[in-house]
Amino acid sequence: QQPVQSPQAVILREGEDAVINCSSSKALYSVHWYRQKHGEAPVFLMILLKGGEQKGHEKISASFNEKKQQSSLYLTASQLSYSGTYFCGTVQADNYGQNFVFGPGTRLSVLP
Amino acid sequence: DTAVSQTPKYLVTQMGNDKSIKCEQNLGHDTMYWYKQDSKKFLKIMFSYNNKELIINETVPNRFSPKSPDKAHLNLHINSLELGDSAVYFCASSQGPGAVQAFFGQGTRLTVV
Repeated sequence: QQPVQSPQAVILREGEDAVINCSSSKALYSVHWYRQKHGEAPVFLMILLKGGEQKGHEKISASFNEKKQQSSLYLTASQLSYSGTYFCGTVQADNYGQNFVFGPGTRLSVLP
Repeated sequence: DTAVSQTPKYLVTQMGNDKSIKCEQNLGHDTMYWYKQDSKKFLKIMFSYNNKELIINETVPNRFSPKSPDKAHLNLHINSLELGDSAVYFCASSQGPGAVQAFFGQGTRLTVV
C-alpha cells in the first residue's frame, strides 16, 4: 500500500520553511525519509519508529504520529542545497521487514 | 571507496535485446534490492534478496531475472527488452530487510530504442 505525500511540489525562497506530509491507510511500524537530487541516487535522511518520536538532521526534522499513521518532514530556514525530491517510505506494522514502499515524492525547489 | 556500485551507468539498446546490469556492495550488508524509477520519478521495488535468498518479488515481468551469486552482488538480467523498460534502475543494500537505512547505487539509465 503506497503512502500518500503532500504537497506534490513546493517552491520556496532561501530561508523559508516547508512541511512535507506522508500518510498511510495502514498501521505503520516505521517511516523513512530520503532525498534525491536531480540525476543522483536517493540518500537516506532518517528513520522514525513507532512511539511518536521526532528526529533531526541539520535543519531538517521529522515527526511520526503512529495513531494517525502520518509523518511530517520539517525543513527550516531552507538552503539552496535542500532542492530535490523528498520520498517517504513506510513499513507496515503487520508486515514488518517485508513490505517497504516509497511514496510518490514531493519535489522541493529552493530559489535564491 | 564506492559503497554500492552499479555498471553500466548508461545503457542504450534495441528492442528485443538481452542485457544485464551488475551491482556490488562493499558494506557487508545482508540485504540487496533492485528498484525501478520511471519517468514520473516513482521508485518501485522489484526484488529483494536477503543472504542470497529472494524475499521480495513484486509483480515484474518474468523477462526480469535477478541473480545473487553472493551476499555482495545482485545482478539484474533482462530478456527481450521492450520500450516500456526504459527507466533508471537503482540497486540498494541495507543491513537487514525493511526497517533499516538503505544505501543506493548511482543508478543505471536504460534506454530502449
